[in-house]
Amino acid sequence: AQKVTQAQTEISVVEKEDVTLDCVYETRDTTYYLFWYKQPPSGELVFLIRRNSFDEQNEISGRYSWNFQKSTSSFNFTITASQVVDSAVYFCALSERQRDDKIIFGKGTRLHILP
Amino acid sequence: DSGVTQTPKHLITATGQRVTLRCSPRSGDLSVYWYQQSLDQGLQFLIQYYNGEERAKGNILERFSAQQFPDLHSELNLSSLELGDSALYFCASSESSGANTGELFFGEGSRLTVL
Repeated sequence: AQKVTQAQTEISVVEKEDVTLDCVYETRDTTYYLFWYKQPPSGELVFLIRRNSFDEQNEISGRYSWNFQKSTSSFNFTITASQVVDSAVYFCALSERQRDDKIIFGKGTRLHILP
Repeated sequence: DSGVTQTPKHLITATGQRVTLRCSPRSGDLSVYWYQQSLDQGLQFLIQYYNGEERAKGNILERFSAQQFPDLHSELNLSSLELGDSALYFCASSESSGANTGELFFGEGSRLTVL
């Protein structure tokens, strides 16, 4: 069954600190896709990254980096040198190749960056 | 701006009533997804349409229905409203029929409050 768990409901860090958001997923499919979305206070979800199950290379985009480990079924997201503008709710999501009709979202992690 | 337009942005109504939420997808996108976001359930997939046809159903109640019109805009109809239907309803669009082939572009959501 498809499932995404974001155990951290809410995190607060002081600006410029690094922070990692955890994501653990469950799937029976061998081909699947993982996503991270950001929901700022304005409400609109914004796509951050898509990773397929065959590509375990870590990815870095500016201050954002993602660590995909199939062995632990995790797809963690790290923000380096956090900024107040990073305050948002972050969702991890999963889509299976055999069920490509939908993306299943975790419950999200609310991140507060304190000035 | 994602290019996805949802109306109305806010809606307050009473139990037992019926409302219609409207979504205009990004230009060129053929797929429309509807999601419900509530505090306790997180982001729940409701239904997907692709080029006018229903493609997938998620946790959509029988009191809810949707359709996608020839011009590709979509409407989500919610009837016999209950207090528990109060939530943020998101529409998202994508180019392809499968959710896992690319990112979803989300609208700003329609916040429904049932009193």
